[in-house]
Amino acid sequence: EIVLTQSPATLSLSPGETATLSCRASQSFSSHLAWYQQKPGQAPRLLIYGASNRATGIPARFSGSGCGTDFTLTISSLEPEDFAVYYCQQRGNWPETFGPGTKVEI
Amino acid sequence: QVQLQESGPRLVKPSETLSLTCSVSGGSISGHYWGWFRQPPGRGLEWIGYIYYTGSSSYSPSLTSRVTMSVDTSKNQFSLKLTSVTAADTALYYCIRYGVQVAGFHYMDVWGEGATVTVSS
Repeated sequence: EIVLTQSPATLSLSPGETATLSCRASQSFSSHLAWYQQKPGQAPRLLIYGASNRATGIPARFSGSGCGTDFTLTISSLEPEDFAVYYCQQRGNWPETFGPGTKVEI
Repeated sequence: QVQLQESGPRLVKPSETLSLTCSVSGGSISGHYWGWFRQPPGRGLEWIGYIYYTGSSSYSPSLTSRVTMSVDTSKNQFSLKLTSVTAADTALYYCIRYGVQVAGFHYMDVWGEGATVTVSS
C-alpha cells in the first residue's frame, strides 16, 4: 500500500502568515489526493480533492497542488480558525491511505 | 443538506462484535458510495471500508477478515460490523459519504459526528 509522509509534523506560525504543508507518497498515484482539516472534537472537513479542487465553501486562501508523489497544501494569510491538524489522503491506489497529519499551531 | 448520524453500542466486550449503523438524512442513500473510518485516541485516521448503495463493497486489507458492511435503502441506512474485537479496536468511528468526484474518483465530503466505541470487559 502507498505510505504517505507529511511534513513538517508541526508548523508554528502566526495569523497572517502563509502555511506550506507537504505530503509525499511512497509511489506515484497521479493526482487522486485530498486534504482534510480536523479541529479538536470535530470530524474532519474536506478542503481539497483531486489535488487542486477546492471543496464547496472552502475559502480561496486554501490551495492545493502537486501530482505523482509530491503534493502541497498552501494556506495563505492564516486566519485564527485555520489552526488545526491537516491530513492528506490518497485514493489513486487501493487501499486508500492517510498521512499522519500536520498540526498547524499558533 | 445531507447529515449522517452514527448509532450503536459504545461499549463492546473483547471477542464480541462491534455494530454501528449510520442514518442518512436530508438526502437519498441511492447513487453514492458510503464508508467508515476510525480514529484511535490521540492518533490519525484509518480507513475501514466503503459500500456502494447497490451493496458492492471494499474493505481495508488489515480488517477484511473481520469487517462486514451492509446497506438498507428502504431505511436510508448503512451499517458496519466488526467481529472479534480487541482493545486495539477502541476508537472514534465515523461514517462518511463519498459525495464529490473528479476524474472518476470519489472523495469524502460529509461526515457523521463520530461514535466513540470502547472495547473493554
